Amino acid sequence: QVRLQESGPGLVKPSETLSLMCSVSGGSISSYYWSWIRQPPGKALEWIGYIYHSGHTNYNPSLKSRATISADTSKNQFSLKLNSVTAADTAVYYCARDLGGSYSPWWDYWGQGTLVAVSS
Amino acid sequence: QPVLTQPPSVSGTPGQRVTISCSGSGSNIGGNYVYWYQQLPGTAPKLLIFRSSQRPSGVPDRFSGSKSGTSASLAISGLRSEDEADYYCASWDDSQSNVFGSGTKVTVL
Repeated sequence: QVRLQESGPGLVKPSETLSLMCSVSGGSISSYYWSWIRQPPGKALEWIGYIYHSGHTNYNPSLKSRATISADTSKNQFSLKLNSVTAADTAVYYCARDLGGSYSPWWDYWGQGTLVAVSS
Repeated sequence: QPVLTQPPSVSGTPGQRVTISCSGSGSNIGGNYVYWYQQLPGTAPKLLIFRSSQRPSGVPDRFSGSKSGTSASLAISGLRSEDEADYYCASWDDSQSNVFGSGTKVTVL
């Protein structure tokens, strides 16, 4: 059974960088794609981007300039950095195993999600 | 703003059949598969339908998906109280991004 667990600060100040980690157990990140998805309170889901174990990444064009996803295969973890945050970035952030990569929003295992609030 | 359009809410009585629509365009649903996710209150989304009409192992056959042109739909037959949740459609868009629907809340009366 693959398990994903998000971790990171629950509060980030405006204009600073949001940093989250996703730890994967029960499977290796050296296979498949791995995505970050977020959900503002009471709103719809939004895909942020994915990383493949080779290091290939793809991002939502609306966030591309601010988001960076990286992976550490030795620790079986991947991470998200989102810079220059504003209150609009307040959301529950999920990490998920991505079976589709490009062309398919196909996520079969999800973390429980972590709420990140942007506030001074 | 969500790219795909869903009705905000759908309701039905136990045992009834309800359908949720998902409307897109030629740049997303029209040329790509549709995926459906169920999100129970306070939990992470769960994959319900992949490749427009296929069910993952463990998903009851009460759930079915279909696609026609630039629209898709999710049907829930034999509605149960545990089906009360938010449902999201998703597809790939030619803008090189995964896109979601606005979400539909299913209420069991």
